[in-house]
Amino acid sequence: GAVVSQHPSRVICKSGTSVKIECRSLDFQATTMFWYRQFPKQSLMLMATSNEGSKATYEQGVEKDKFLINHASLTLSTLTVTSAHPEDSSFYICSASRTGFSPLHFGNGTRLTVT
Amino acid sequence: AQKITQTQPGMFVQEKEAVTLDCTYDTSDQSYGLFWYKQPSSGEMIFLIYQGSYDEQNATEGRYSLNFQKARKSANLVISASQLGDSAMYFCAMRGSNTGNQFYFGTGTSLTVIP
Repeated sequence: GAVVSQHPSRVICKSGTSVKIECRSLDFQATTMFWYRQFPKQSLMLMATSNEGSKATYEQGVEKDKFLINHASLTLSTLTVTSAHPEDSSFYICSASRTGFSPLHFGNGTRLTVT
Repeated sequence: AQKITQTQPGMFVQEKEAVTLDCTYDTSDQSYGLFWYKQPSSGEMIFLIYQGSYDEQNATEGRYSLNFQKARKSANLVISASQLGDSAMYFCAMRGSNTGNQFYFGTGTSLTVIP
């Protein structure tokens, strides 16, 4: 069964609104979750590392105020795209891993379209 | 620094034939893990196979096997008896012992299985 659940799978919103994406680890407690963005036919681009109980670590070039990450519990991380613009339209995918060299388990992704 | 290189943007294979997808990596870590993921057009990332840097035998999972050549720093994925459903993007990834939980992904290879 699914190890990581991500919702919604698809969202269309108007420019200027905010969108929240949820990522839940179902089988284990994830102290760390990762948020990726993927453009068509490209690889995954790490946006930020979400740490339970502390601030997220953002990759260079990713706007903290635009992409708000909250990791309130060991099983839930949320990504909020604030004041969305058409250029934020993309595929966002979250992931979590157990410790050691366990595989990274991914949610099914969220396809965001900003009109 | 960690780096994953996939030099084949696109590959074609005849149904029922075997195909090898190349992956080379660069790391200064002594201990690391190598992973392959499949991403169909629907977007989800599916974990296929894992190889630990200290594993003496090549990993196998059903029709997938990993040709691990540590001295050459290569971790090629071999898919035997290709099926139409194998058409997808394939990503090689690495996780090092000194890089926390972070995964590094290659740019991916698009595989098309021809009937």
